[in-house]
Amino acid sequence: SAVISQKPSRDICQRGTSLTIQCQVDSQVTMMFWYRQQPGQSLTLIATANQGSEATYESGFVIDKFPISRPNLTFSTLTVSNMSPEDSSIYLCSVRRNTEAFFGQGTRLTVV
Amino acid sequence: AQKVTQAQTEISVVEKEDVTLDCVYETRDTTYYLFWYKQPPSGELVFLIRRNSFDEQNEISGRYSWNFQKSTSSFNFTITASQVVDSAVYFCALSEGMNYGGSQGNLIFGKGTKLSVKP
Repeated sequence: SAVISQKPSRDICQRGTSLTIQCQVDSQVTMMFWYRQQPGQSLTLIATANQGSEATYESGFVIDKFPISRPNLTFSTLTVSNMSPEDSSIYLCSVRRNTEAFFGQGTRLTVV
Repeated sequence: AQKVTQAQTEISVVEKEDVTLDCVYETRDTTYYLFWYKQPPSGELVFLIRRNSFDEQNEISGRYSWNFQKSTSSFNFTITASQVVDSAVYFCALSEGMNYGGSQGNLIFGKGTKLSVKP
């Protein structure tokens, strides 16, 4: 099984600031996925991050708002930029291995 | 287009009752994977089961069982003799992919079913 260490686990941020979320995987993976879960909602894919190339963003998500880094095959960051209260959500990273899907513990973000 | 429908938004049962959570999916692929996750109030996703499209055998794990029927595109989840600790949001998810048969792509989640088990 893959182990994903995601941090921070939660944060309360002021509007207009940015927060960077980190995910560290215990072994190399080709793709890492970032999801957002708004309060009371399902998980929605933000983007897919491949090492060595720009992330691929889903409709409704843009790089300026959610820049992603993928410097190597075990690490990725997601930044939530210029935050507003509408960005208050749980953010999760995920990887696939041997058909299984593994998730980080999630970052519960509250923007005030 | 791929889609996962969990028509039951909220279900409330009394402890020891059996409860079935419905999941209906849509996909054009012949190879895909289906998942169930549990999300307690703490927010983390707890993996329950993964099933590939070629394995229609039903599965039982303790009080949990799953009924996969390709003919109706359904992958329903039953909890027998429910307990208060089963209270959570349950998500059904689909993974597909032309190149990898759903083994490596992202998951598409249903909207989830919130289960409340009362003592």
